[in-house]
Amino acid sequence: NAGVTQTPKFQVLKTGQSMTLQCAQDMNHEYMSWYRQDPGMGLRLIHYSVGAGITDQGEVPNGYNVSRSTTEDFPLRLLSAAPSQTSVYFCASNYRGGGTEAFFGQGTRLTVV
Amino acid sequence: KQEVTQIPAALSVPEGENLVLNCSFTDSAIYNLQWFRQDPGKGLTSLLLIQSSQREQTSGRLNASLDKSSGRSTLYIAASQPGDSATYLCAVTRGGNNRKLIWGLGTSLAVNP
Repeated sequence: NAGVTQTPKFQVLKTGQSMTLQCAQDMNHEYMSWYRQDPGMGLRLIHYSVGAGITDQGEVPNGYNVSRSTTEDFPLRLLSAAPSQTSVYFCASNYRGGGTEAFFGQGTRLTVV
Repeated sequence: KQEVTQIPAALSVPEGENLVLNCSFTDSAIYNLQWFRQDPGKGLTSLLLIQSSQREQTSGRLNASLDKSSGRSTLYIAASQPGDSATYLCAVTRGGNNRKLIWGLGTSLAVNP
């Protein structure tokens, strides 16, 4: 079982560059979300989606865009990378929002120089 | 505003010891509480999910309890092993229509051989 797959695992960007972090799940989960994890700040929700075609903002959405054209995929786009976006990014999915077990990808470690 | 606190932030124990990790939350109106494990450089793995109507859940050597009225959950690990070394995070799901996860900062556990 693949579960939640994130790519790439590591990425270095220059300030101002854009990129897309990929996330795919094969469990037919309705709910998908993106978090960033920073030392001392825990996991913070960036964007989430309750189903294909539906997305919403989390706590820290600025500088990020998402779309959900299919149930399986939920890419996160950095529009113009800034050093403040250096972080570890996690994608998660679950069947019905917070009511069920959440499955996480392995993470993407992003450094913006 | 819901806040989740985990104490202690770090714990080091000898192999074989039984131990308790604590999680407290400020708003008792939760939908459920989940305990996760995170290994260094890896994603999060869900260990136990306790619904708001439940008092405890067990999986192997792990037992999680929930006291909603006092805003507390404990994760009990029996007969700890070096392989249990990881960071343990708890997260609560808000009640109502908003099912987002609110995270603690985690307890970093080291089990020494």
